[in-house]
Amino acid sequence: DGGITQSPKYLFRKEGQNVTLSCEQNLNHDAMYWYRQDPGQGLRLIYYSQIVNDFQKGDIAEGYSVSREKKESFPLTVTSAQKNPTAFYLCASSIDVQGFGEQFFGPGTRLTVL
Amino acid sequence: AQTVTQSQPEMSVQEAETVTLSCTYDTSESDYYLFWYKQPPSRQMILVIRQEAYKQQNATENRFSVNFQKAAKSFSLKISDSQLGDAAMYFCAYPGGTSYGKLTFGQGTILTVHP
Repeated sequence: DGGITQSPKYLFRKEGQNVTLSCEQNLNHDAMYWYRQDPGQGLRLIYYSQIVNDFQKGDIAEGYSVSREKKESFPLTVTSAQKNPTAFYLCASSIDVQGFGEQFFGPGTRLTVL
Repeated sequence: AQTVTQSQPEMSVQEAETVTLSCTYDTSESDYYLFWYKQPPSRQMILVIRQEAYKQQNATENRFSVNFQKAAKSFSLKISDSQLGDAAMYFCAYPGGTSYGKLTFGQGTILTVHP
């Protein structure tokens, strides 16, 4: 079945550690996105990528980094510079890079800082 | 900046009744799409319905329909014959025509369905 997978489902991090969240899609989509969701709030864009080896900062990129070495993969690293990383992280992809198409979402990763 | 506003933090409806969720947005674009997403307790985001701004006809998907008022920049979601499985958080989202697919989400509306 085609879709988006995210791993792990739950992730615990000690303060000062970097952690990487995985996002893989087999939909052959060009565009991929990372969103952050805080309790009771909407989603905010962290980074997005429209093509391999290229990505752009979203609205809240500070303390995060990404890579796009393969079309199907878009991992997100939460660095120690992110002061409040506890949140729910959602990865999405779209066949359309101009925003006219549906975005498909993965099941999410819940990150908790201990 | 493009904004999306959902003015109803919470709504409730009786099973089998109809409920309407409100959404307004701000844009200078003339051609764009609008989306409603559903996030049930599992937290999986699911597309409910999509509206193309250049189409006069309101989109409909089974029990879900929209009331799209382009001039007023309003995009409400109507759920008919509400079911217990409709209970979720609903987000209105706007990507914009030139924003490279970045979705701007509203704050969300929590819908409770009473049996």
